Amino acid sequence: DIVMTQSPDSLAVSLGERATINCKSSQSVFYSSNNKDFLAWYQQKPGQPPKLLIYWASTRESGVPDRFSGSGSGTDFTLTISSLQAEDVAVYYCQQYYGTPYTFGRGTKLEI
Amino acid sequence: QVQLVESGGGLVSPGGSLRLSCAASGFAFSDYYMNWIRQAPGKGLEWVSNIDGRSTYTTYIDSVKGRFTISRDNAKNSLYLQMNSLRGEDTAVYYCARSPSASSGFRWGQGTLVTVSS
Repeated sequence: DIVMTQSPDSLAVSLGERATINCKSSQSVFYSSNNKDFLAWYQQKPGQPPKLLIYWASTRESGVPDRFSGSGSGTDFTLTISSLQAEDVAVYYCQQYYGTPYTFGRGTKLEI
Repeated sequence: QVQLVESGGGLVSPGGSLRLSCAASGFAFSDYYMNWIRQAPGKGLEWVSNIDGRSTYTTYIDSVKGRFTISRDNAKNSLYLQMNSLRGEDTAVYYCARSPSASSGFRWGQGTLVTVSS
């Protein structure tokens, strides 16, 4: 199974500042036949289902503010929130969908 | 737009059975792999199972193999999860999710809560 290691476990960032969350996979999730990394990022608030932010490692989901961006390839990935807003307080997860079982990171709790 | 609506959750005793359903709309259901993903209370996300568009291939996490069965009915645009021999550790919100395409990521439903307790 591919193990997804997220860091940090929790993060406190001031309003307007940058937040960076890292995710490392135990093996590459890059598929050369379509030149894509099979990596997604989600935001989850209490009592709600996960909300898709980023897929294919760097493609922002429609309607997601452009302060959210994804980067990286192969085994190392980053979710960046360029200017933290109060509504960004949540738990963030990375997920690989390169191979089953699809696996998630343990989550990063983002606070103000 | 894509809609996934889960149902069938509830309280069940250990060793009991439950069948979850997911009604899909807004896309060509038979063209997509479909998944079940769960989240235990206060815990992280765990992918459980998936099935291809023609029901040819199914995959499960080890902890549910032999106890859970995923299926689909493309005529009814519906996905199912038959859960037998339920254990306390199966207590979770179960989400139905459509696999990604070239132009989209996973699409999730709102989830249905399964509680296994005596």
